[in-house]
Amino acid sequence: GEDVEQSLFLSVREGDSSVINCTYTDSSSTYLYWYKQEPGAGLQLLTYIFSNMDMKQDQRLTVLLNKKDKHLSLRIADTQTGDSAIYFCAEADRFGGSTLGRLYFGRGTQLTVWP
Amino acid sequence: DSGVTQTPKHLITATGQRVTLRCSPRSGDLSVYWYQQSLDQGLQFLIQYYNGEERAKGNILERFSAQQFPDLHSELNLSSLELGDSALYFCASSANMYNEQFFGPGTRLTVL
Repeated sequence: GEDVEQSLFLSVREGDSSVINCTYTDSSSTYLYWYKQEPGAGLQLLTYIFSNMDMKQDQRLTVLLNKKDKHLSLRIADTQTGDSAIYFCAEADRFGGSTLGRLYFGRGTQLTVWP
Repeated sequence: DSGVTQTPKHLITATGQRVTLRCSPRSGDLSVYWYQQSLDQGLQFLIQYYNGEERAKGNILERFSAQQFPDLHSELNLSSLELGDSALYFCASSANMYNEQFFGPGTRLTVL
């Protein structure tokens, strides 16, 4: 679960949809998270999905999970300038069939929203 | 506001010194985690405590130590500081060992 990969930058126009992608490595059941970090702030938990689910929707956020390809995406509908931030994908650690507490993070995707 | 508090917000110190970072978890949360965020390493897990006991260790240097007290607050001690220890240090808490983690605002450490 230590190799979580994300593209580093994404730019979109206000009102468009943003799709942030992530790949993870652990093939066993685990929790996958999306966090948002604004400048000078901590990480805000946006949403999470368990790896036996395909999709989760929460207002403007949609998480899609492709277990075969170990690919996770976060779609933000009607993106606003206030959504500009760094978005982190994270995978919960697994050991011996149990989910452990530690999280493995990607490097983060800097989302820039243009007015 | 996640409910996790960290003090101080900023810390500037010299090489060779020792500092203590403090974290108070959300009310009712038993598990505390420490992470380091730096430009070259990204976000790295350091250590986890659950109800006062160490549960997992990550990429934590021997110069660093932590503990969780009976009131569940936690402290991260960093000693013999080096320039490379300059980073943002985050504390997170969760209800138990496996639930979603909520992060504090972080302590920015600058070692000169």
